[in-house]
Amino acid sequence: DIVMTQSPDSLAVSLGERATINCKSSQSVLYSSNKKNYLAWYQQRPGQSPKLLIYWVSTRESGVPDRFSGSGSGTDFTLTISSLQAEDVAVYYCQQYYNTPPTFGQGTKVEIK
Amino acid sequence: EVQLVESGGGLVKPGGSLRLSCAASGFTFSNAWMSWVRQAPGRGLEWVGHIKSKTDGGTTECAAPVKGRFTISRDDSKDTLYLQMNSLKTEDTAVYYCTTEKLVSDYWGQGTLVTVSS
Repeated sequence: DIVMTQSPDSLAVSLGERATINCKSSQSVLYSSNKKNYLAWYQQRPGQSPKLLIYWVSTRESGVPDRFSGSGSGTDFTLTISSLQAEDVAVYYCQQYYNTPPTFGQGTKVEIK
Repeated sequence: EVQLVESGGGLVKPGGSLRLSCAASGFTFSNAWMSWVRQAPGRGLEWVGHIKSKTDGGTTECAAPVKGRFTISRDDSKDTLYLQMNSLKTEDTAVYYCTTEKLVSDYWGQGTLVTVSS
């Protein structure tokens, strides 16, 4: 199974400031035939179910604010929240769907400083 | 609007069985791949398994920790997904989410809590 490792485990950011979460996979999730990275990000607000934010590394799901962006390729990926809002307090998970089983990172908790 | 509503969770003793259901609406269920994802208390997300649409073969795959104990099935006439869980262990204690699966889990239910304890 592909192991996904996120860093940091938690971070506290002031409102309006940038939050950056890193995700590393134990093997490349870049599929050579279509040049696509099979990497997604999910948001889980307190007491709620997870919600899909981003797939194909950087494609935002419908309705996701453009302050959320994703980048990276191969084994190293980043989720950036450009200007943190109160409603962004949540745990964020990366996920590879390159092969089965799809696997998640351990999660990064984002709080307000 | 897509809705996924899980039910059937509860308290069960180790070695026992439980069947979870997920009632779907707001999309063409028969065309959808569906999956189960679980989350142990205070922990991260773990994919349990999925079932393909019948047009894609209707086959299932389950994660190694549950293989041979859990079975995923679907009833397209009732727009319902099932998870039959047998030989339950304490480490199966978790909230179980039903999701649609188009490579990624794009819609999630609210989850149902399964507690395995003596």
